[in-house]
Amino acid sequence: KAGVTQTPRYLIKTRGQQVTLSCSPISGHRSVSWYQQTPGQGLQFLFEYFSETQRNKGNFPGRFSGRQFSNSRSEMNVSTLELGDSALYLCASSLVSRQGNNEQFFGPGTRLTVL
Amino acid sequence: AQSVAQPEDQVNVAEGNPLTVKCTYSVSGNPYLFWYVQYPNRGLQFLLKYITGDNLVKGSYGFEAEFNKSQTSFHLKKPSALVSDSALYFCAVRDIYNNNDMRFGAGTRLTVKP
Repeated sequence: KAGVTQTPRYLIKTRGQQVTLSCSPISGHRSVSWYQQTPGQGLQFLFEYFSETQRNKGNFPGRFSGRQFSNSRSEMNVSTLELGDSALYLCASSLVSRQGNNEQFFGPGTRLTVL
Repeated sequence: AQSVAQPEDQVNVAEGNPLTVKCTYSVSGNPYLFWYVQYPNRGLQFLLKYITGDNLVKGSYGFEAEFNKSQTSFHLKKPSALVSDSALYFCAVRDIYNNNDMRFGAGTRLTVKP
């Protein structure tokens, strides 16, 4: 069974631009979560989607948004990029979002560098 | 909200020695606890989880973790460390009072020296 895939793996943008990252979950997984990982802040939860609906959102500005499609694939968008948005963005999928005993399976991440 | 803490930023052990990576949790009710490992420039890989049952949980790559309710701890252990175990380790808890969001600790960097 294929794992979680994320595209692109690396991205370089300049301040003010916008970016879209893509995540394809493991087949059969309906929950997709996004995290931002930085050396200073560690792993921070961005948002989770389940059945095309955003279930919860972390403490990030409105420049960060996402969506989920009917095939469970998800995209996240960051508009008006800032230098501080440089990070590794991780996508994770799990079977059912409301089951606390489900572990998450992570993709390799997208390394975003904002210049 | 439920949370986990990893009190050590860095753990150094010699190859062949036992290793312990510490994690403490703060939850209401029964916790769902997880350990993940991250190798350089990679995503997180699931190691093991505690849901209920035996306090000693066995996971991938020879790792195990001991759930201790009285000490609110979930330490990761391995009897004999390998150089290849060097990585960043994260403890996590499902916040069942907040949409089951996964809450991660700050991470512990394990270095195993030959």
